[in-house]
Amino acid sequence: DTAVSQTPKYLVTQMGNDKSIKCEQNLGHDTMYWYKQDSKKFLKIMFSYNNKELIINETVPNRFSPKSPDKAHLNLHINSLELGDSAVYFCASSQDWGLAGGADTQYFGPGTRLTVL
Amino acid sequence: SQQGEEDPQALSIQEGENATMNCSYKTSINNLQWYRQNSGRGLVHLILIRSNEREKHSGRLRVTLDTSKKSSSLLITASRAADTASYFCATGLGGSEKLVFGKGTKLTVNP
Repeated sequence: DTAVSQTPKYLVTQMGNDKSIKCEQNLGHDTMYWYKQDSKKFLKIMFSYNNKELIINETVPNRFSPKSPDKAHLNLHINSLELGDSAVYFCASSQDWGLAGGADTQYFGPGTRLTVL
Repeated sequence: SQQGEEDPQALSIQEGENATMNCSYKTSINNLQWYRQNSGRGLVHLILIRSNEREKHSGRLRVTLDTSKKSSSLLITASRAADTASYFCATGLGGSEKLVFGKGTKLTVNP
């Protein structure tokens, strides 16, 4: 059984289009994340939701809008796609957030490779 | 901003040898985590070490943490070809649920 799943795995689209990536976790976790990994493998957090509430919103263009319909799902919608949006997008989840001992262990999905032409 | 820096950027060894990767960070942390990423896959959590711990083991993995030097090391003993992957350190900052990842060390284990 897949713990954190993402769809689609690959996404090829033209500049200016709008696209969505879906993420689901069946781990019963309270917190979910979106990361962007660029061509140099640098992984940067974009958003985090805890119990459907936005708790992390890094400096990300407004064209990116996360939506969490419930604790198990966190989708990412991207408007007016640009060439620089090409990257691999990872969804992740963790049991909790803001533990006294710091950030919790995170479980990652397989990634969605987005290519903007 | 980026917190962790792994060193070396790339490492190539023979099967059976030990592999050591280092991570340095800049600000105080609550914990430090190591993740592995196989080519084309998501990250997999390997080990978490808290700021009050100095060493932790998990199977063939040994992680050390030196908060005075703001550095950590990951040792993989008796490496196998299947250990070929990129390894990332990630720091859990004080008072934050956020993990900040380094750029990773690409390890190649030759059979």
